[in-house]
Amino acid sequence: DAKTTQPPSMDCAEGRAANLPCNHSTISGNEYVYWYRQIHSQGPQYIIHGLKNNETNEMASLIITEDRKSSTLILPHATLRDTAVYYCIVVYFGNEKLTFGTGTRLTIIP
Amino acid sequence: NAGVTQTPKFQVLKTGQSMTLQCAQDMNHNSMYWYRQDPGMGLRLIYYSASEGTTDKGEVPNGYNVSRLNKREFSLRLESAAPSQTSVYFCASSESSVVVRELFFGEGSRLTVL
Repeated sequence: DAKTTQPPSMDCAEGRAANLPCNHSTISGNEYVYWYRQIHSQGPQYIIHGLKNNETNEMASLIITEDRKSSTLILPHATLRDTAVYYCIVVYFGNEKLTFGTGTRLTIIP
Repeated sequence: NAGVTQTPKFQVLKTGQSMTLQCAQDMNHNSMYWYRQDPGMGLRLIYYSASEGTTDKGEVPNGYNVSRLNKREFSLRLESAAPSQTSVYFCASSESSVVVRELFFGEGSRLTVL
């Protein structure tokens, strides 16, 4: 599976859009991009995933660049409850093993 | 629906003791996983079970054994606990072992080995 690189930490003002980047320059054609988050010491929570098209759901949007070497998770109107560690994961179709790196610690500032 | 339930939530062991972490899911999921998370680190996969009757090693399987008792239950056993196994253990399940990796996690089991 392709390796991912995320900034260790970010801050975002409450009510603003939080844009979390992820670099996956070695991604291959059959690898998906997944995003999870972990609030405090809870178990991680699935947010969204995509292959090459942009995706949106009720929680977030996922923007994948045309060359698929990077992606951005967008939380459109961040709230204090979005403070968490966000994990970007790349995994190929059919692989059981999701590998969580150290992620980005996002802090929403009132 | 309870989702994924782990027991116990907290446990303190002495070095050399054994114990089993229990995990059960009520979502009729095929796949189940055990992860550990050490302070300040991401989750590392210990073992997983793609379907009832099968288990496979993850990144850090040494010192652990697992049993997929039935479709609902997946247990993790420490035969002889070591201080290096002090960690938070998360069980997870997913509906499909192939298509979508939407994992549902339990609340975690906090294990301290003295």
